[in-house]
Amino acid sequence: GESVGLHLPTLSVQEGDNSIINCAYSNSASDYFIWYKQESGKGPQFIIDIRSNMDKRQGQRVTVLLNKTVKHLSLQIAATQPGDSAVYFCAELYGQNFVFGPGTRLSVLP
Amino acid sequence: DAGITQSPRHKVTETGTPVTLRCHQTENHRYMYWYRQDPGHGLRLIHYSYGVKDTDKGEVSDGYSVSRSKTEDFLLTLESATSSQTSVYFCAHSSRGQDEQFFGPGTRLTVL
Repeated sequence: GESVGLHLPTLSVQEGDNSIINCAYSNSASDYFIWYKQESGKGPQFIIDIRSNMDKRQGQRVTVLLNKTVKHLSLQIAATQPGDSAVYFCAELYGQNFVFGPGTRLSVLP
Repeated sequence: DAGITQSPRHKVTETGTPVTLRCHQTENHRYMYWYRQDPGHGLRLIHYSYGVKDTDKGEVSDGYSVSRSKTEDFLLTLESATSSQTSVYFCAHSSRGQDEQFFGPGTRLTVL
């Protein structure tokens, strides 16, 4: 697959545990954020989004938290499964286009 | 399937040669994007298009040009490839420009 994450921070979690992936964004004026999942050899895939007028948004097994005071975004994955192993990165909408973080590799241990 | 394909998926070329990467979407979305992805970096925007024949530069546009003659197709051209352009290239599309983007599978380009 594509060697996207050679230098990425890695989070290792046991199958069934909860995962928390963090992202520090750059611009206080950013008002829309997306979390993407990227599996090896594939393109990024949308997981969940949140607008700046919200602090929390929940999806299926995933929750995104937004702390605008410290410009921090987190993605929580409940009951992590082997299929969750991937690189996760956040994107912030700044002006017209998105700025993407470098990502975190999530490794699920059996 | 995000309704988007890229070709070729892999390409090896030599420094100084021209290269064209193709992106095709089937969603009739107005906005299309070309990004490159390198180790240690997030996706970086090369060029984007907001309609047929309407394109603009992104963060890392030097050495690249684009064309969009039809809604469904967005081409990225490296007029004279350099080793610094070795990367994985992703195309994406979106309906409204400032919302979710749907990404293609990527093209791995190696410039020797």
